[in-house]
Amino acid sequence: DTGVSQDPRHKITKRGQNVTFRCDPISEHNRLYWYRQTLGQGPEFLTYFQNEAQLEKSRLLSDRFSAERPKGSFSTLEIQRTEQGDSAMYLCASSRSDEQFFGPGTRLTVL
Amino acid sequence: GIQVEQSPPDLILQEGANSTLRCNFSDSVNNLQWFHQNPWGQLINLFYIPSGTKQNGRLSATTVATERYSLLYISSSQTTDSGVYFCAVELYDYKLSFGAGTTVTVRA
Repeated sequence: DTGVSQDPRHKITKRGQNVTFRCDPISEHNRLYWYRQTLGQGPEFLTYFQNEAQLEKSRLLSDRFSAERPKGSFSTLEIQRTEQGDSAMYLCASSRSDEQFFGPGTRLTVL
Repeated sequence: GIQVEQSPPDLILQEGANSTLRCNFSDSVNNLQWFHQNPWGQLINLFYIPSGTKQNGRLSATTVATERYSLLYISSSQTTDSGVYFCAVELYDYKLSFGAGTTVTVRA
């Protein structure tokens, strides 16, 4: 049983560019979550999917952020017109029941 | 939203020492998890423990749900135990709310 995988692991971009991250959950996990972690803080919830349905979005997720989970498998998180304040670690998690399992994260740096 | 408070914020230990980390939360929860974040940022699952006591090697955890706190015990600490320990709770809504973490440094 492989764990949650995320790609890329690191992304450096210039302010104003668009970026897209991918998350592959543990197979047969029907729930998938995105969190964001800034330096020195705990992760904060962004959004979650049950199968392909996006069921909740945090107010942290501005209209520049969009997430999809086509066919209930992998998920993508896109940030349009990146800002320096978007620099953070973006973490994906998946679950079949209550316990969530996290991927290694994508570290985004916006210059 | 729910408040999650972890103490102490920082802990420096000599190798071989024992320690206790605490997590207080402000409401009844459906789920409580303890994680260890390694230097590369990966969150490693330690315990899924909404109530009761569990042990895994040198680590153990106890959650007293009625009193809204959980404790993580590290015994005979090793340098590899260094890192940030997070408590996270879920309020019947699938979203984990994390505390600010306890940074543990184990010195040889």
